Amino acid sequence: DTEVTQTPKHLVMGMTNKKSLKCEQHMGHRAMYWYKQKAKKPPELMFVYSYEKLSINESVPSRFSPECPNSSLLNLHLHALQPEDSALYLCASSQEQAGGYQPQHFGDGTRLSIL
Amino acid sequence: KQEVTQIPAALSVPEGENLVLNCSFTDSAIYNLQWFRQDPGKGLTSLLLIQSSQREQTSGRLNASLDKSSGRSTLYIAASQPGDSATYLCAVGGATNKLIFGTGTLLAVQP
Repeated sequence: DTEVTQTPKHLVMGMTNKKSLKCEQHMGHRAMYWYKQKAKKPPELMFVYSYEKLSINESVPSRFSPECPNSSLLNLHLHALQPEDSALYLCASSQEQAGGYQPQHFGDGTRLSIL
Repeated sequence: KQEVTQIPAALSVPEGENLVLNCSFTDSAIYNLQWFRQDPGKGLTSLLLIQSSQREQTSGRLNASLDKSSGRSTLYIAASQPGDSATYLCAVGGATNKLIFGTGTLLAVQP
């Protein structure tokens, strides 16, 4: 069983809907990450939070809005998405971000389909 | 810009065979290299992490090596089993722990 929990596992939404993806970890990690993975492609980094502050935004469109309310929880708020945003969204965490020596632990992802 | 390539893209082997997966990267200024496996429709499972100062890491039947100067890493799987069938991804990490993933190798181990 993964130590990073993502909900929901599947989500279907229309282009005008607002929804949120949720990620939780209870390993005491202080860095959390959102990745997007299209079919048969490697994951691509979207956002990084370090100590609940946004550290990296990889020029992600504003229809994706991340939030880190506390050190265990990471949300991704979705609004006015496009069909090309359909993908597997993966959350990861690591003990720290700085230094680059920390392994990242991934959740099972949320499979998102935009109608 | 860092680019990570994995060869082969797909591999099919009979059960029991030893095999090697390859990963190459263009910028040797990395802090770590991590190997993952991904089962269909699932998240990533971390297999091994090699820090830039290390040459190899071992876990059970898996051994990963790193040659930073030549921009290469290999994942060696001994005595392969059908349960090893998955996509294997390597990823290089920089100072900010941002991971750049390779293109992946789809492994099928035939019983």
